[in-house]
Amino acid sequence: AQSVTQPDIHITVSEGASLELRCNYSYGATPYLFWYVQSPGQGLQLLLKYFSGDTLVQGIKGFEAEFKRSQSSFNLRKPSVHWSDAAEYFCAVGATGNQFYFGTGTSLTVIP
Amino acid sequence: DTAVSQTPKYLVTQMGNDKSIKCEQNLGHDTMYWYKQDSKKFLKIMFSYNNKELIINETVPNRFSPKSPDKAHLNLHINSLELGDSAVYFCASSEGNSPEQYFGPGTRLTVT
Repeated sequence: AQSVTQPDIHITVSEGASLELRCNYSYGATPYLFWYVQSPGQGLQLLLKYFSGDTLVQGIKGFEAEFKRSQSSFNLRKPSVHWSDAAEYFCAVGATGNQFYFGTGTSLTVIP
Repeated sequence: DTAVSQTPKYLVTQMGNDKSIKCEQNLGHDTMYWYKQDSKKFLKIMFSYNNKELIINETVPNRFSPKSPDKAHLNLHINSLELGDSAVYFCASSEGNSPEQYFGPGTRLTVT
């Protein structure tokens, strides 16, 4: 069965520090992978997506993610975090048959 | 020119009431979804409609009934509301079998 795991429930980083949020998936075929961000009280905003091709994908707000098939991972990175990046981050897998599976989310706190 | 819109944004109601949440998409997509985000931020699909036809119906109480008057609209009607129905409900849409879904801003339902 398809699943998405985000091992870190909560992460705290200092402003200006680098960030990596982990995501592991379980899916039989080539996955369609997504990262979403949800600011407090807000909806889901798509940060980036991977369907095929270059395994390093660039997204909005300076985020990037790397697809590693051998590790079944799609980790999200940002070289320098800003206070406005504090939010909940969701990794997701899109599958055939219109199925869509979210991870449990990682809450990011940014310390000034 | 909002792609996926939901009304209302906030809904506060008492136990036992019946309420509806509306969703509209202007992307020309033929598949629409309802997701529930619980208090722990976990997102889970509830229903999916393709061209007004139900294609995904996860284990959801039958007090929840989706209605799709046309392929641009998918409304969620909830009967006999319970405290546990309090959550954020997200509508989404996609085109055909595309794995990419576009999300609405969410409706925060509070049952008192």
